[in-house]
Amino acid sequence: DIQMTQSPSTLSASVGDRVTITCRASQSFSNWLAWYQQKPGKAPKLLIYRTSRLESGVPSRFSGSGSGTEFTLTISSLQPDDFATYYCQHYNNYPLSFGGGTKVEIK
Amino acid sequence: EVQLVESGGGLVQPGGSLRLSCAGSGFTFSNYWMSWVRQAPGKGLEWVANIKEDGSEKYYVDSVKGRFTISRDNAKNSLYLQMNSLRAEDTAVYYCARDDGKTTVTTFFQHWGQGTLVTVSS
Repeated sequence: DIQMTQSPSTLSASVGDRVTITCRASQSFSNWLAWYQQKPGKAPKLLIYRTSRLESGVPSRFSGSGSGTEFTLTISSLQPDDFATYYCQHYNNYPLSFGGGTKVEIK
Repeated sequence: EVQLVESGGGLVQPGGSLRLSCAGSGFTFSNYWMSWVRQAPGKGLEWVANIKEDGSEKYYVDSVKGRFTISRDNAKNSLYLQMNSLRAEDTAVYYCARDDGKTTVTTFFQHWGQGTLVTVSS
């Protein structure tokens, strides 16, 4: 089974900051990785799939990259609406699994 | 507009059963893989199960194998999760989710419902 580990677990940042979240996999795989944003009391929202493909309607300040065992989500200029928890998910094989989440807080 | 609406959650005693439903609308239900993803209170996301468009393939996380059964009724645009032998650790919000329509075997989750809370407690 592939385990996904996110870092950091919590991140304090200011509006306008560049933010990077890392997701490390216990095994190497191709680009079958997605990122989600979740706000309190709400369902997750898809941001990126296949490592770097932006979901329709998602602002271009979000980007994804990586390969092998290390993947990153970058927010180029943090906006007030971006304070939330972010999860990575691999879909290379079964069982599918998520990272533990990264909470982005206001500094 | 894609809509997924879950129902059937509630309080159940350990060892009990519950059946969750998810009604899909705004898309051709029979063309998409469907999934259940859960989130324990204050915790992260956990994929539970998913099912192919025609119901011919089903996959489960190990912790629910033999206890939970995913099914679908394409004529009713509905997804189900039959949960038996429930345990305290099954307490979570259960989300119904849809893929992007391009899944071959594994999937990510393009659309999500609002979730239904299942509480397992005596």
